[in-house]
Amino acid sequence: AQTVTQSQPEMSVQEAETVTLSCTYDTSESDYYLFWYKQPPSRQMILVIRQEAYKQQNATENRFSVNFQKAAKSFSLKISDSQLGDAAMYFCAYSGADGLTFGKGTHLIIQP
Amino acid sequence: KAGVTQTPRYLIKTRGQQVTLSCSPISGHRSVSWYQQTPGQGLQFLFEYFSETQRNKGNFPGRFSGRQFSNSRSEMNVSTLELGDSALYLCASSLLYRGPYGYTFGSGTRLTVV
Repeated sequence: AQTVTQSQPEMSVQEAETVTLSCTYDTSESDYYLFWYKQPPSRQMILVIRQEAYKQQNATENRFSVNFQKAAKSFSLKISDSQLGDAAMYFCAYSGADGLTFGKGTHLIIQP
Repeated sequence: KAGVTQTPRYLIKTRGQQVTLSCSPISGHRSVSWYQQTPGQGLQFLFEYFSETQRNKGNFPGRFSGRQFSNSRSEMNVSTLELGDSALYLCASSLLYRGPYGYTFGSGTRLTVV
């Protein structure tokens, strides 16, 4: 079974600064997808960014980008120009043969 | 475009009862998956349906079951409720099974077992 590890239970960043959230995963599969989801207090899970494992190019969505290191099984999320609306729980997720596996999440706090 | 709709939003049940939760996916989405979210265990995968067939199942007891209808709507049933079943149950839909598009989540059903 796949496992996803987010080693930072909580992170804090000043507004307008950059923050990186870490995620590592363990798998023996070669074909899979990786996602970052955001869950604000409203509890609605929102897809932030996705990465196909066969693509070497790191995905980017506006202020959000990933550093995907397939050999190291690492998938970190970088948020640039942090905004107050970015405050939420962030979950790293792995999509493979056993369904969608989530990490425990990182609580991101934005300091004004 | 309507999102993923889960009903009801909140539910209170007594231990030993059974419950059915409903999920209507985004129009055109054929895959529906279910997750249990608790403070202690986090987000755990329950099962995924695609074209009315269960394609994957998480590590949950047989009291947890589901089904998908021909219009892709899905229901999840929990029988003989236990206190530990209190959780937020999230449903998500996707265009394809195990595709690259990601999953769109509903707002969840908050189940409290007393």
